[in-house]
Amino acid sequence: GIQVEQSPPDLILQEGANSTLRCNFSDSVNNLQWFHQNPWGQLINLFYIPSGTKQNGRLSATTVATERYSLLYISSSQTTDSGVYFCAVTRGSQGNLIFGKGTKLSVKP
Amino acid sequence: EAQVTQNPRYLITVTGKKLTVTCSQNMNHEYMSWYRQDPGLGLRQIYYSMNVEVTDKGDVPEGYKVSRKEKRNFPLILESPSPNQTSLYFCASTSGGIQFFGPGTRLTVL
Repeated sequence: GIQVEQSPPDLILQEGANSTLRCNFSDSVNNLQWFHQNPWGQLINLFYIPSGTKQNGRLSATTVATERYSLLYISSSQTTDSGVYFCAVTRGSQGNLIFGKGTKLSVKP
Repeated sequence: EAQVTQNPRYLITVTGKKLTVTCSQNMNHEYMSWYRQDPGLGLRQIYYSMNVEVTDKGDVPEGYKVSRKEKRNFPLILESPSPNQTSLYFCASTSGGIQFFGPGTRLTVL
């Protein structure tokens, strides 16, 4: 099956710093999503981005489907950005999401 | 407000005592699914449903049952829970490939 690898596994930032999270996947996918799991466990949908680039405030994402990777950019990080960021891809027509292991981000004040 | 709800949010039970975790969505989505999240293993799909009365196994279906009698509801049933089913469970609802997750149910089986 499809393998999804995320890097780095852990990241510690000072508030205000920028960061780039990477997601590699081993096969062609129909869809790709980025999620943020906050410290209370809630999964928040950040981007649906099977290809191209999207931006939402301080966050942006780029997926290069032909090269099988996606990047999540966080600019001017804030303590509320802390949590785990997951990349997930679908191998089927609907939503059989395959998740990466996540990047755990800690933003220090 | 568009949302996916799950109940209960927290549950401690004992081995063998049947339980049901409910999931409901108000977005009229056809596709719904259940995931479990475990440390070191990430999130894995248990079951999914493409529409009413249409369900199929995900990656880790053993020990679980589901039903889809109405579009909005997709309960997860553990007929005889065991300690290895202690986990954080998420229900999700999908439209256009975008998945929306419920708040999660933290289950402990003693």
